[in-house]
Amino acid sequence: EDQVTQSPEALRLQEGESSSLNCSYTVSGLRGLFWYRQDPGKGPEFLFTLYSAGEEKEKERLKATLTKKESFLHITAPKPEDSATYLCAVQADYKLSFGAGTTVTVRA
Amino acid sequence: GAGVSQSPSNKVTEKGKDVELRCDPISGHTALYWYRQSLGQGLEFLIYFQGNSAPDKSGLPSDRFSAERTGGSVSTLTIQRTQQEDSAVYLCASSIRTSGGYEQYFGPGTRLTVT
Repeated sequence: EDQVTQSPEALRLQEGESSSLNCSYTVSGLRGLFWYRQDPGKGPEFLFTLYSAGEEKEKERLKATLTKKESFLHITAPKPEDSATYLCAVQADYKLSFGAGTTVTVRA
Repeated sequence: GAGVSQSPSNKVTEKGKDVELRCDPISGHTALYWYRQSLGQGLEFLIYFQGNSAPDKSGLPSDRFSAERTGGSVSTLTIQRTQQEDSAVYLCASSIRTSGGYEQYFGPGTRLTVT
């Protein structure tokens, strides 16, 4: 069974204070690893897909990386608008198996 | 372009009543998924539709849950004889297969409260 573990559960940052979120996974035959952002009361918003170890993708202040066992989401010089819950998911066939998420709060 | 839409956005129902939740996927997306997000829980897969193939219902928690997809587009998730543990946010997603996998785009969800 696919397993996805995210850490930490919560992260409080000062504006401009860079940090990283971790997503550890076990899956048989990884088809893709996905990062989503979820704001309160809204559906998850797609951020990135990573397909193979060593791959990196960037979007504004976010950078996602992938190894054979884990993925990191780096937040560089965060702003208050980066406050959200970040979800990691793995896909082996077609459905996604999600982690519990990391809730990031960025204080001005 | 238009994203995935869901209706209603909120639904309050009494225990024992039936409810129907609707999902309109992104135009052209052949795959449609339903997930459930309970308070303090991660997203839980419920059901998957792909084109005209038989749906994968392996995530449905009980036989009170059913779903259909008409004309390869709109989907309805039906919960019969609702129970309090059915209270959750029900999320719909759609995707089109990319070269590597299926990037899923989610709707805003329907928040179901069973009283």
